[in-house]
Amino acid sequence: EDQVTQSPEALRLQEGESSSLNCSYTVSGLRGLFWYRQDPGKGPEFLFTLYSAGEEKEKERLKATLTKKESFLHITAPKPEDSATYLCAVQSFNYGGSQGNLIFGKGTKLSVKP
Amino acid sequence: EPEVTQTPSHQVTQMGQEVILRCVPISNHLYFYWYRQILGQKVEFLVSFYNNEISEKSEIFDDQFSVERPDGSNFTLKIRSTKLEDSAMYFCASSGDGVGGYTFGSGTRLTVV
Repeated sequence: EDQVTQSPEALRLQEGESSSLNCSYTVSGLRGLFWYRQDPGKGPEFLFTLYSAGEEKEKERLKATLTKKESFLHITAPKPEDSATYLCAVQSFNYGGSQGNLIFGKGTKLSVKP
Repeated sequence: EPEVTQTPSHQVTQMGQEVILRCVPISNHLYFYWYRQILGQKVEFLVSFYNNEISEKSEIFDDQFSVERPDGSNFTLKIRSTKLEDSAMYFCASSGDGVGGYTFGSGTRLTVV
């Protein structure tokens, strides 16, 4: 069964204090791994897609990396506006031919204090 | 930037009543989805829709649920007889190619009393 586990559940940082969020996954055949940001009461906002081990993507203070078993979201010199819940999701190849659905982790709630 | 629009933002309904949640996906997208998130829990897949038919559905999406694309712009989720456990945030999403960087709407918070 496809599964996604994120750690830690919550992370408090001081502004400027860099850190990493972890996403461990098991999937029958990885089509893609996705990072989303979710603000309270809002829908997930797409950040990155990673397709294969060794791939990296960057956007502003965020950098996502992928291995065969896990992905990291590195946050460099975070600011208070980076406070949100960060969700990881995987999509597997669907042997039936239809597009596989996303399996989400519970997320990491990041708080950045000024 | 194009966005997915959901209405209403919040709906309160009595147990056993029917509700229809509405979504306007991004206009040139071909794949449409409904997900839900019970408070404090994971975002869960309900159903995907492509080429005017359901392409995949989860165990949650039982006979009480249905989806429809009644015209070229709207995509709806109907719950025929709501239960207390249907209380959740319901998200509509759309995609141009069906590969996971979906665009999600802001959600409809459904409260069943």
